[in-house]
Amino acid sequence: GEDVEQSLFLSVREGDSSVINCTYTDSSSTYLYWYKQEPGAGLQLLTYIFSNMDMKQDQRLTVLLNKKDKHLSLRIADTQTGDSAIYFCAVEYNFNKFYFGSGTKLNVKP
Amino acid sequence: EAQVTQNPRYLITVTGKKLTVTCSQNMNHEYMSWYRQDPGLGLRQIYYSMNVEVTDKGDVPEGYKVSRKEKRNFPLILESPSPNQTSLYFCASSLKTAANYGYTFGSGTRLTVV
Repeated sequence: GEDVEQSLFLSVREGDSSVINCTYTDSSSTYLYWYKQEPGAGLQLLTYIFSNMDMKQDQRLTVLLNKKDKHLSLRIADTQTGDSAIYFCAVEYNFNKFYFGSGTKLNVKP
Repeated sequence: EAQVTQNPRYLITVTGKKLTVTCSQNMNHEYMSWYRQDPGLGLRQIYYSMNVEVTDKGDVPEGYKVSRKEKRNFPLILESPSPNQTSLYFCASSLKTAANYGYTFGSGTRLTVV
């Protein structure tokens, strides 16, 4: 199957920007997603981007997609302690098949 | 409240004893999907459904069955559970319109097979 890779941990100070990166191997993706998971909870959709877009901004979140390098990133501006969670990138193929990364644990220090 | 409801939240069972994890959504979503989450592996898709009576295999379908007899329900069936199916399971649903493309996830079912 498809490989979706994320770094395991990221630590930032409150108020700084966080950038979480994701790489994937199959370029025939349709949509790409970012989800957030807090302890003991399901996944919460943060944002998604269609594969023919380069960038999408949604309040404090900015998604960048480099299709040539198969690289997706999520930037969180003005990171807060409430942003501490695990962040998953997910790549969709054929409008229904999903592959998730193993998640990046974001730790926000006060 | 719009939601995806999974039951049970926690389940401990023995090897070989058939079980069903239920999933229900109240949003009239056509698309539904099951995942398992294991440490260090992220989520892996088990099965998905595009509508009533339309289902297809995800990345890890072995040992699982699903059915979609009505739009709101998408149960996951383990005919003969084994210890390697011990995992955290999530059901998700989506309308997949231009304005609402992402999936809504349930709270998860933690299954232990001994």
